[in-house]
Amino acid sequence: EDQVTQSPEALRLQEGESSSLNCSYTVSGLRGLFWYRQDPGKGPEFLFTLYSAGEEKEKERLKATLTKKESFLHITAPKPEDSATYLCAVQAGGTYKYIFGTGTRLKVLA
Amino acid sequence: EAGVAQSPRYKIIEKRQSVAFWCNPISGHATLYWYQQILGQGPKLLIQFQNNGVVDDSQLPKDRFSAERLKGVDSTLKIQPAKLEDSAVYLCASSQDIRNTIYFGEGSWLTVV
Repeated sequence: EDQVTQSPEALRLQEGESSSLNCSYTVSGLRGLFWYRQDPGKGPEFLFTLYSAGEEKEKERLKATLTKKESFLHITAPKPEDSATYLCAVQAGGTYKYIFGTGTRLKVLA
Repeated sequence: EAGVAQSPRYKIIEKRQSVAFWCNPISGHATLYWYQQILGQGPKLLIQFQNNGVVDDSQLPKDRFSAERLKGVDSTLKIQPAKLEDSAVYLCASSQDIRNTIYFGEGSWLTVV
């Protein structure tokens, strides 16, 4: 069964304290892995798409990486404005259906 | 480029009442999705349209939920009658095609009391 597991569920960091969020997946025929950011009261905002193992994408303080079993979202020197829920999703082969994880709630303290 | 538009943003109704949500996707996007997101969970697909045809509605509670996408552009999701467990955010999303990245709207927040 296609499945996505994100860890940790919640993370509190001090401003400037780098860390990583994990997204483990099992899917038949990965088409793509997606990271979204969701602020309270808003819809998910697209961040990155990764298609194959070894691929990396960067945007400001965020860097996403992909292996055959998991993806990491590395946050370097985070700021309070990086506080949000980060959602991971995989797109399954054949159906192109998205399977979402439950997200990691990140809080960055000033 | 305008994003996915949804309305209303917030709605409070009593159980057994009905409610309708409207969505206008990004211009030119053929695929439209309705997701339900319960607090603390990831989005769950309710229904997916390709142009004005249904691709997947396997998780849509068809005894109370209905959706349509007339003319292959905007869409309406209806709940009738609502139950307490329907309290959630209803997210509309669109993509150029079934294979492409999904972009979400701001969501419609439903509280059933």
